Amino acid sequence: DIVLTQAPLSVSVTPGESASISCRSSKSLLSSKGITSLYWYLQRPGKSPQLLIYQMSNLASGVPDRFSSSGSETDFTLKISKVETEDVGVYYCGHRLEYPYTFGAGTKLELK
Amino acid sequence: EVQLQESGPGLVKPSQSLSLTCSVTGYSITSNYWGWIRKFPGNKMEWMGYISYSGSTSYNPSLKSRISITRDTSKNQFFLQLNSVTTEDTATYYCARSDTHWGQGVMVTVSS
Repeated sequence: DIVLTQAPLSVSVTPGESASISCRSSKSLLSSKGITSLYWYLQRPGKSPQLLIYQMSNLASGVPDRFSSSGSETDFTLKISKVETEDVGVYYCGHRLEYPYTFGAGTKLELK
Repeated sequence: EVQLQESGPGLVKPSQSLSLTCSVTGYSITSNYWGWIRKFPGNKMEWMGYISYSGSTSYNPSLKSRISITRDTSKNQFFLQLNSVTTEDTATYYCARSDTHWGQGVMVTVSS
C-alpha cells in the first residue's frame, strides 16, 4: 500500500497568517496519464470531510483561493494563506493512484 | 444537488455483521462511483471500497474477506456489509460519491 506521511501532525496559526502542511508519498503519484493523483481534504469539527484539492493542484468547487497545493511526484505541500476561523479542523492528504486508496494521518490546524 | 445519508444501527455486537445503507438523492447511482470510508477514533481514515456505476466493486484488501458493497438502483441506495466485526471496527462510517460529496456519517460502536 502507498504510505502518505503528513507533517506536522498539528499546527497552531495566528488568524491572517499562512500555514503549510506537507505530505510525502512512499511512491510516485504520477499516473500513466500524466495526472498526479494527490488530493487534500478538510474535516471541520463535527462535519464530514470536504474535498479541497484534486489532482495535486486543482481547487475543488466552492473552495476559496486562499488554498493552494503544489509538489513533485512524491512530495506535496498544501498552503493556506490568510488563515481564517473556518479553516480550523483536520487536513488529510489522500491518493487515488491505485487500490487501496490511502490517506495521511491528518494534520490538526488550530488558531492561536 | 446530490445528497447522501447513511443509516444503520449504532451498536453492533462482536462477531456479528455491520450493515449500513446510503440513500442518495439528486443524482443517480448508475453514474459515477460510490464508496464507503471510515474514520477511527483519533484521526485515522480508511478507504473501504466502492461500487461503480455499472455495479462493479473494489475493496480494500485489508477487508476483502469481510466486506460487501451492493446496491439497489430502484431505490437509489447502496449498502455496506462488514462481517465478523470486532471492537477495532468501531468508527464513524461515511458514504461518498467519488471524493466530492460525502454523507454526514454514522457512528458505529462494536461492543458486547
